[in-house]
Amino acid sequence: QQQVKQSPQSLIVQKGGISIINCAYENTAFDYFPWYQQFPGKGPALLIAIRPDVSEKKEGRFTISFNKSAKQFSLHIMDSQPGDSATYFCAARDAGGTSYGKLTFGQGTILTVHP
Amino acid sequence: DAGVTQSPTHLIKTRGQHVTLRCSPISGHKSVSWYQQVLGQGPQFIFQYYEKEERGRGNFPDRFSARQFPNYSSELNVNALLLGDSALYLCASSLALNFPGQGAYEQYFGPGTRLTVT
Repeated sequence: QQQVKQSPQSLIVQKGGISIINCAYENTAFDYFPWYQQFPGKGPALLIAIRPDVSEKKEGRFTISFNKSAKQFSLHIMDSQPGDSATYFCAARDAGGTSYGKLTFGQGTILTVHP
Repeated sequence: DAGVTQSPTHLIKTRGQHVTLRCSPISGHKSVSWYQQVLGQGPQFIFQYYEKEERGRGNFPDRFSARQFPNYSSELNVNALLLGDSALYLCASSLALNFPGQGAYEQYFGPGTRLTVT
């Protein structure tokens, strides 16, 4: 059962544009929501993360918006650059049950930024 | 500072064989988690260890096992390999499981071990 749904599957943006990736979750035990960036042949790199008591977090060109009531969160990449071209994964941490600390990942979004 | 290291980088095995993958966490981190990433999908949780004890297990068969050593490094073992076990195996380290401080359970991934089963 997929507990974190990510969209779109792929995204093409022009240099300087805004990239927006959305995720939705069902499990109310999730208490931490990171975003990872992954380049081909590499492991995922932690980009930015948010906790559910905060509605927005910004780090440089990257912003997470979080809507607790809708159980949705999104990543905005401002002034997108060709070097941002990668696969992005949203994730959620399970704070309860037998898999304490487990990260559940979305399916990923392949971002292509054209120069 | 050294990040998470994993060995080997690549591995080719035959169906039915056994494999051992190794991970060294970031210095000072006490928790290690293992994930399997099949091509085109997000990582899937396999195990989490903290202070040498298993603290979480994903939906994987008993052919998968792991352990954590006193120096917090970890091994993932897979027995009776199947073609479907071909994947990128990722290790992630975190400072702790839960701690009332920022960043205590942020998980940092290593480069992974690419396992191909033929």
